[in-house]
Amino acid sequence: NAGVTQTPKFQVLKTGQSMTLQCAQDMNHNSMYWYRQDPGMGLRLIYYSASEGTTDKGEVPNGYNVSRLNKREFSLRLESAAPSQTSVYFCASSELPQPKQYFGPGTRLTVT
Amino acid sequence: DQQVKQNSPSLSVQEGRISILNCDYTNSMFDYFLWYKKYPAEGPTFLISISSIKDKNEDGRFTVFLNKSAKHLSLHIVPSQPGDSAVYFCAASRLYGGSQGNLIFGKGTKLSVKP
Repeated sequence: NAGVTQTPKFQVLKTGQSMTLQCAQDMNHNSMYWYRQDPGMGLRLIYYSASEGTTDKGEVPNGYNVSRLNKREFSLRLESAAPSQTSVYFCASSELPQPKQYFGPGTRLTVT
Repeated sequence: DQQVKQNSPSLSVQEGRISILNCDYTNSMFDYFLWYKKYPAEGPTFLISISSIKDKNEDGRFTVFLNKSAKHLSLHIVPSQPGDSAVYFCAASRLYGGSQGNLIFGKGTKLSVKP
């Protein structure tokens, strides 16, 4: 099992460009999450999907949209990238009610 | 306001000694706590967890202690090994009620274990 996979690993964007971060899990988990990690800030929840067909905002949703494409895949879209969105993005999945989440390797995004 | 706090950004320990990482929380509704370990350029990996109905959980060299009255938990690593050098994140969750399953993370503590 690959667990949680994320693409791309690295990305550089110019301000105003758009892109989609992809995430897939092969553990048949119901719930999926997107986090960002900034230096000294820990991980902050952007959006989550408790189950296929539902999405909800987390702590820092502004500037992002998400799509739960199917049970396996959960994508994060930046419509108009800003330098403040320079960060490392992590996708995670879990099988509620167990709160333990499994994380992907991350995408390092730089917006210039 | 931070609901989960890790007040020590870094900790340095000699190999073979005990490492103690601390975490405080403010929300009394949290009922499940987890520790994650993160190496550079990798995603966090689950280490150990504890439910609020317990005060201790042990897994090999790793033990987590929970003091509900003080809203404090700690992770003990005995003995510490150089491979334990990583950033450790404390996380809290509410198993019941709104946003169940969502994790609130602390800012992390960077542990360095010196040979």
